[in-house]
Amino acid sequence: NAGVTQTPKFQVLKTGQSMTLQCAQDMNHEYMSWYRQDPGMGLRLIHYSVGAGITDQGEVPNGYNVSRSTTEDFPLRLLSAAPSQTSVYFCASKRDFNPYGYTFGSGTRLTVV
Amino acid sequence: TQLLEQSPQFLSIQEGENLTVYCNSSSVFSSLQWYRQEPGEGPVLLVTVVTGGEVKKLKRLTFQFGDARKDSSLHITAAQPGDTGLYLCAGVYTGNQFYFGTGTSLTVIP
Repeated sequence: NAGVTQTPKFQVLKTGQSMTLQCAQDMNHEYMSWYRQDPGMGLRLIHYSVGAGITDQGEVPNGYNVSRSTTEDFPLRLLSAAPSQTSVYFCASKRDFNPYGYTFGSGTRLTVV
Repeated sequence: TQLLEQSPQFLSIQEGENLTVYCNSSSVFSSLQWYRQEPGEGPVLLVTVVTGGEVKKLKRLTFQFGDARKDSSLHITAAQPGDTGLYLCAGVYTGNQFYFGTGTSLTVIP
C-alpha cells in the first residue's frame, strides 16, 4: 500500500495564481483532512471530508476549496494565492471511528511570492 | 484557540539521557494520540490512549493519559539519536475533532 500520496512536493506560486494540491489514499479510509503547518502554530485544519460528496470547513478555510468526488481523492484548491498561504500542507486520512489515528502524506511545501 | 499546550517547546539532550514531554489542556478529551514527525515528512502515529490513567509502552517510550483525560506525558528512556524529531500530541475532542499541540522539537546529540 502506498498510503497517502501528495503531489507536488514543492511549489512556488506568484501572488494571485491558483493551483491544486493533489491527495490520494489507497486504504479505503472514509475520513480525509487537509492541514497546514506553520512554525509555532502547530497543525491547523483547513477542510475535511467524512466521505465521498461530503466536505466541511475546518479552523482556517478561507482562500481554499475542496471536493471529494471519490473515496480515494481529496484535492485542495488555492483560489488566488496570497503570501499568507506560504506553509507546509499535509493531507491525512483515517477510518471514520474514534480513536483511530491519522495517516499523513509527506507534505507539500508551498511558497507564495 | 489553542486547546493543547506542549512543553517544553525545544529539548536538546545527550544520548543516553531520559526525558519527559508534556501535553496539557483544560478540556477533557475522549482520547489522545502522540505522533512523531521527521524533517520533510508527515507525522507518524505512535500511540493512542483512551482510558484515564492509561499507560502504554512502546520499547523505550512510555505514554500516560491523565486520570481526568485532560493531559498526557511521553517519557523516553535512554534517548538515542534516532529519537530526534518533532513530537506532537493530538486530543480527540468529540467524534473526529482533532486538536494538535504545537509540538516539542527533540534533538538527541550522539
